[in-house]
Amino acid sequence: KQEVTQIPAALSVPEGENLVLNCSFTDSAIYNLQWFRQDPGKGLTSLLLIQSSQREQTSGRLNASLDKSSGRSTLYIAASQPGDSATYLCAGLWGYQKVTFGTGTKLQVIP
Amino acid sequence: DTGVSQDPRHKITKRGQNVTFRCDPISEHNRLYWYRQTLGQGPEFLTYFQNEAQLEKSRLLSDRFSAERPKGSFSTLEIQRTEQGDSAMYLCASGGPYEQYFGPGTRLTVT
Repeated sequence: KQEVTQIPAALSVPEGENLVLNCSFTDSAIYNLQWFRQDPGKGLTSLLLIQSSQREQTSGRLNASLDKSSGRSTLYIAASQPGDSATYLCAGLWGYQKVTFGTGTKLQVIP
Repeated sequence: DTGVSQDPRHKITKRGQNVTFRCDPISEHNRLYWYRQTLGQGPEFLTYFQNEAQLEKSRLLSDRFSAERPKGSFSTLEIQRTEQGDSAMYLCASGGPYEQYFGPGTRLTVT
């Protein structure tokens, strides 16, 4: 059974700081790892998707990495802004199966 | 708009009433998935379809829940005799083995 874990559950940083969100998973035969953003009461916004053949993906101030052998992914946010405050979810896809989500890290960026 | 759409976006109902949600997947996707997200948790898998066939159901899907996908196009998720514990975000996704695309979700509040 594939499991996805995110630690910490909550994180508070001052504006401008660079930060790293962590995600770990139990099955290295992962097809892809996706990072989502979720604002309170809203749906999921896809941020970055890393295919199993890739090591990282970048979009603007965001960089996500994937290390299948260690079962880890990180989401790096550069120069954090108050608008980055949200819950960040990572999710793994193992072939023609359900996506398995972590429980999320709630980020607060303090002005 | 060629993404996954869900209707309604919000639903408030009284305990004991029946509710039905609709999901329209991306047209070329033959796989469709339903997830449920309760407060403070990551989304959890409920069920999925390949074309019109329902291939897997989670134990979270009690006998009050039923999902259909007639003709392998849109899907409906019905909850009978709603309970307060059914209050959640219901997410639909479509896709294949390498990526799933999520809709905006239907937020259900049972009073």
